[in-house]
Amino acid sequence: GAVVSQHPSRVICKSGTSVKIECRSLDFQATTMFWYRQFPKQSLMLMATSNEGSKATYEQGVEKDKFLINHASLTLSTLTVTSAHPEDSSFYICSASRGDANTGELFFGEGSRLTVL
Amino acid sequence: GDSVTQMEGPVTLSEEAFLTINCTYTATGYPSLFWYVQYPGEGLQLLLKATKADDKGSNKGFEATYRKETTSFHLEKGSVQVSDSAVYFCALRRRQAGTALIFGKGTTLSVSS
Repeated sequence: GAVVSQHPSRVICKSGTSVKIECRSLDFQATTMFWYRQFPKQSLMLMATSNEGSKATYEQGVEKDKFLINHASLTLSTLTVTSAHPEDSSFYICSASRGDANTGELFFGEGSRLTVL
Repeated sequence: GDSVTQMEGPVTLSEEAFLTINCTYTATGYPSLFWYVQYPGEGLQLLLKATKADDKGSNKGFEATYRKETTSFHLEKGSVQVSDSAVYFCALRRRQAGTALIFGKGTTLSVSS
């Protein structure tokens, strides 16, 4: 099956620093990637839709200046949490679409757990 | 907007018991419907899907039928195993290019031997 890889899987940083999370589709080209955030015991909340070569589309309530998304190639999207604060601590998950964009499943990365001290 | 509602957990069952996890949705048009599973310490995996009304998705003994009339996609398994312990997410996706999955809150299943 299709593989999506996220890196790093865990990161701990100090408040005020920036953290970059990478999402790669290893064996297919992903025109569209999605970034989700998952709080403990809660569902996945869509943060933004990332399209290769264009600006990301952010969901309402998501600060685009805090969560910078870059989709520079068909196999790589990055999420940078800028000036991180403890409330940004969460589990961030990326997903990528392959094949039929209308009905196709999304493939998920393993997730990245961010802890901001 | 589009939304998915699934039963609150946790669901605790003994091995070989029958499982039902209810899922209903609200969406414009006819979305594709999915069940994803998240095992402890792992990423999300597609369990099954259905793309049109009356379709039945099935995998690993799990089944779900796309019911347009009741806007439901309930997950069932006739005999659960300890290895089925995980968090199950119901999700929908609109039939538009580049649309994301909308998830329910997830239901934690714990199966004991």
